Amino acid sequence: QKEVEQNSGPLSVPEGAIASLNCTYSDRGSQSFFWYRQYSGKSPELIMFIYSNGDKEDGRFTAQLNKASQYVSLLIRDSQPSDSATYLCALRGYSSASKIIFGSGTRLSIRP
Amino acid sequence: ETGVTQTPRHLVMGMTNKKSLKCEQHLGHNAMYWYKQSAKKPLELMFVYSLEERVENNSVPSRFSPECPNSSHLFLHLHTLQPEDSALYLCASSQELGYSYEQYFGPGTRLTVT
Repeated sequence: QKEVEQNSGPLSVPEGAIASLNCTYSDRGSQSFFWYRQYSGKSPELIMFIYSNGDKEDGRFTAQLNKASQYVSLLIRDSQPSDSATYLCALRGYSSASKIIFGSGTRLSIRP
Repeated sequence: ETGVTQTPRHLVMGMTNKKSLKCEQHLGHNAMYWYKQSAKKPLELMFVYSLEERVENNSVPSRFSPECPNSSHLFLHLHTLQPEDSALYLCASSQELGYSYEQYFGPGTRLTVT
């Protein structure tokens, strides 16, 4: 089992709709969770981080964490064509804090 | 993102060449990282430095040799690379090591080994 699993996509969402990106992980000791956005040919850019169970909102983005079920998700409201990118889920464990483990990413396409 | 810079942005080298990648962070961070990103694969952590001391070396071949002369600079020295080493090499930094610290990435060096 991969440490961090994401559906590779592409996930196609109409403009203005909610895009929902999901990520599951295997290490129950994982403590912090990150969502990065990566445009083609560019480096990853941090969008959200979340440490506690529940929802965390920042503008059009909401991160949701459920440690019991070992999943973390990212919701993008009012999707824009500029949101089209690959979204990387990443996590850090308490015991190996030097390591961030990344998923392979989900490619999101917002269609006008 | 101008907080972490990398040079060169693109590099083409032969298998017998020696070259170096440079990373500099202007964020006052104490931890720096090298990652490799190949097509359709997750980001692979290569090396981690904290306060110029290497704390992680993820079974990386010896043809990759990191150097961290101070907390703002990180190098990756390359020699006798293989074509499969062609990838995007990303540098990142974080305030400290620790689970609550997020990483910030540089723009990457696109390396092609011929």
